[in-house]
Amino acid sequence: NAGVTQTPKFQVLKTGQSMTLQCAQDMNHEYMSWYRQDPGMGLRLIHYSVGAGITDQGEVPNGYNVSRSTTEDFPLRLLSAAPSQTSVYFCASSYSTGGGNSPLHFGNGTRLTVT
Amino acid sequence: SQKIEQNSEALNIQEGKTATLTCNYTNYSPAYLQWYRQDPGRGPVFLLLIRENEKEKRKERLKVTFDTTLKQSLFHITASQPADSATYLCALDEASNTGKLIFGQGTTLQVKP
Repeated sequence: NAGVTQTPKFQVLKTGQSMTLQCAQDMNHEYMSWYRQDPGMGLRLIHYSVGAGITDQGEVPNGYNVSRSTTEDFPLRLLSAAPSQTSVYFCASSYSTGGGNSPLHFGNGTRLTVT
Repeated sequence: SQKIEQNSEALNIQEGKTATLTCNYTNYSPAYLQWYRQDPGRGPVFLLLIRENEKEKRKERLKVTFDTTLKQSLFHITASQPADSATYLCALDEASNTGKLIFGQGTTLQVKP
């Protein structure tokens, strides 16, 4: 199993550009989520999904879109990048859909810089 | 809303000693609480999960306690080694069964030889 795979590892964008961060998991997990991690702020939940076709907002959803057309994939879209979106983005998955009763498996992150 | 507080100051200890890290939460008591380890440039890695009806959970040199009265979890590493140096994060559900797993800021542990 590859686990959770994120691409790209690094990305530099100009303000206003759009891009999609890819996330795929091969563990047949129902739950997938996106976090951003900033110095002094910890991990903050952006969006999450409890199954294909179902998404919901986390703590900091503004400026980001998600969709979940398959169990395996959960892409994160930045429609118009802003410098405030410079961060490290982590995708995570777990087999259970609620309550914190199963561990999250994380990818190794995408480091995004917006200039 | 639920808040998680971990000591943001780094914890420096000598090799062989026991490290104790604290995780406090503010509102409703979750049914589960999780601990993760994160190394620089990597994603967090799951370590332990403890249920509300478990006072203590152990895994090798790791021990986690969960006190719902104090709204606190303690994470212990016994016989610490330099390889234990990392940032440790606690996580729990934002509210009852929402699926929104939120994290504390993490505490960085430095074990000196």
